[in-house]
Amino acid sequence: DTGVSQDPRHKITKRGQNVTFRCDPISEHNRLYWYRQTLGQGPEFLTYFQNEAQLEKSRLLSDRFSAERPKGSFSTLEIQRTEQGDSAMYLCASSLAGSDTQYFGPGTRLTVL
Amino acid sequence: TQLLEQSPQFLSIQEGENLTVYCNSSSVFSSLQWYRQEPGEGPVLLVTVVTGGEVKKLKRLTFQFGDARKDSSLHITAAQTGDTGLYLCAGKKYNFNKFYFGSGTKLNVKP
Repeated sequence: DTGVSQDPRHKITKRGQNVTFRCDPISEHNRLYWYRQTLGQGPEFLTYFQNEAQLEKSRLLSDRFSAERPKGSFSTLEIQRTEQGDSAMYLCASSLAGSDTQYFGPGTRLTVL
Repeated sequence: TQLLEQSPQFLSIQEGENLTVYCNSSSVFSSLQWYRQEPGEGPVLLVTVVTGGEVKKLKRLTFQFGDARKDSSLHITAAQTGDTGLYLCAGKKYNFNKFYFGSGTKLNVKP
């Protein structure tokens, strides 16, 4: 299967801990997006990369959040000092530059206790 | 305030009925996508519309992009229980590379 994959699918952590999520995009896609989705809402844009360059970050992304895409392939999203308000589904999507179509992974469900 | 407003928020219908879901904005989009999402999973792309006034059909689903590229609708004919899910619209604005999502319409089709 050559779709977008995310790992882990579920993460339960205690408040104050750091967590890291991984996203592997479709192999030929050079754009990669991170979104956050809370219950009953649509996904909210967090950040996106074109190749290894992080081109835009949402104001939603506090200093505790950092994302990387070091070789222009997979990406990681780290949340430091997690808070209960960080509990959400974190979604990754990829696309080709210039395309209006993005493909989503299955998401990582984060629960902060 | 969301850039894209979807209505209705919730819809519960019997199998066999028809329904229409709306996605509206005051902004103009270069394209608009519709997704269906099941609980605990990522959104799955249904269609992308790029031309004002465009109509696309996917089996029993008909998608329309407004002439002014500010709104879209999704019509389902003879709904089936397998159509149950969260329907999301997402728009991409000119000269922007990110997508704005609506808050979704939660559809429940009862047998």
